[in-house]
Amino acid sequence: GAVVSQHPSRVICKSGTSVKIECRSLDFQATTMFWYRQFPKKSLMLMATSNEGSKATYEQGVEKDKFLINHASLTLSTLTVTSAHPEDSSFYICSARAGTGVMGNQPQHFGDGTRLSIL
Amino acid sequence: QKEVEQNSGPLSVPEGAIASLNCTYSDRGSQSFFWYRQYSGKSPELIMSIYSNGDKEDGRFTAQLNKASQYVSLLIRDSQPSDSATYLCAPKVHDYKLSFGAGTTVTVRA
Repeated sequence: GAVVSQHPSRVICKSGTSVKIECRSLDFQATTMFWYRQFPKKSLMLMATSNEGSKATYEQGVEKDKFLINHASLTLSTLTVTSAHPEDSSFYICSARAGTGVMGNQPQHFGDGTRLSIL
Repeated sequence: QKEVEQNSGPLSVPEGAIASLNCTYSDRGSQSFFWYRQYSGKSPELIMSIYSNGDKEDGRFTAQLNKASQYVSLLIRDSQPSDSATYLCAPKVHDYKLSFGAGTTVTVRA
């Protein structure tokens, strides 16, 4: 159980292109989804928190117009990197958690990540 | 002070030995704690969760939590080469977010 699917796994594209990444919870309803980016040999950096049916909450320093997040249903969130540039090249990972439960103990389950390379 | 501190390693242990990973956190309000394993080039994978003080065992893994000391640890018994990875400590902070440590890289020598 608790499978999160992320697609595509790898993208190589030209500077100025917009790239959409999908994150789906396959066997549970994800009340909240999270988007992270990770640079080589660094830890995960939270970019934004996405709740179904409402606007995403972005972390400080993350440009919301650059990284568009849509959480259209309880099983799907998308991240669009608009007008991507080489400095946006990174490993982008989504995660999802189910419900609230007792003290909100449900863990986050991660997708396989998307390696984005902007030429 | 970082929110979550872990020794970066690398922690090198021989096959069959115990690997001991430590983590301290700064948010006293954290009530849930998770350990994730991340292989190179892959995304994190949940291996343990712990919510109460004391020990929690799951197979070869034991998590230990001491909220008064703001300390959580992970023991890997009978370490195998397949355990070679980076282990991320992640306390849950507000709004269901996780605060990730930089991770401890473990290398198990065959």
